[in-house]
Amino acid sequence: EIVLTQSPGTLSLSPGERGTLSCRASQSVSSSYLAWYQQKPGQAPRLLIYGASSRATGIPDRFSGSGSGTDFTLTISRLEPEDFAVYYCQQYGTSPPVTFGQGTRLEIK
Amino acid sequence: EVQLVESGGGLVKPGGSLRLSCAASGFTFSNTWMNWVRQAPGTGLEWVGRIKSKTDGETTDYAAPVKGRFTISRDDSKNTLYLQMNSLKNEDTAVYYCTTSPRIWGQGTLVTVSS
Repeated sequence: EIVLTQSPGTLSLSPGERGTLSCRASQSVSSSYLAWYQQKPGQAPRLLIYGASSRATGIPDRFSGSGSGTDFTLTISRLEPEDFAVYYCQQYGTSPPVTFGQGTRLEIK
Repeated sequence: EVQLVESGGGLVKPGGSLRLSCAASGFTFSNTWMNWVRQAPGTGLEWVGRIKSKTDGETTDYAAPVKGRFTISRDDSKNTLYLQMNSLKNEDTAVYYCTTSPRIWGQGTLVTVSS
């Protein structure tokens, strides 16, 4: 099973700042199958990035994904008030199990 | 409109059973591998299992905590995904989402296992 470890657990930033979230895998993940989600309280996860670096439909270009192998990054270039939420990475390759990171809480400083 | 709508959640006693449904629309359900993901209160996302499309054998895979107790099935004629949950435990309490993983997610249905 591929274990995904996200860091930091909590990130405190101000609107307008740049946010950098990390996702490290216990073994190599195909970039084709690495996703990032945003989740707000009481809502379902919202897909931001798939295939490590492709933005999902309707996602603002301030969100970008990068990385390969075991190290992946989600970058939010200029934080907007609505970006403060919990973020999860996920690997969804063809071999089970699908796994998620434990999440990074992005909070307003 | 692309949509997944779960139903069937509720309160059930430990050891009981429940069947969740997920109605799909707006995409070719029969060609799509489908997943169930759950989220216990205040915690992160946990994959429950998946079912492949009929053309890929309609085989199923499950996470270790639910293997042998949960069964995923699909009815392509009704564009509907199912999750049969037996021998429920308190720790199965969660919001259950159906998803094509990664693109499309339902709004979730709450299952509470409690005496």
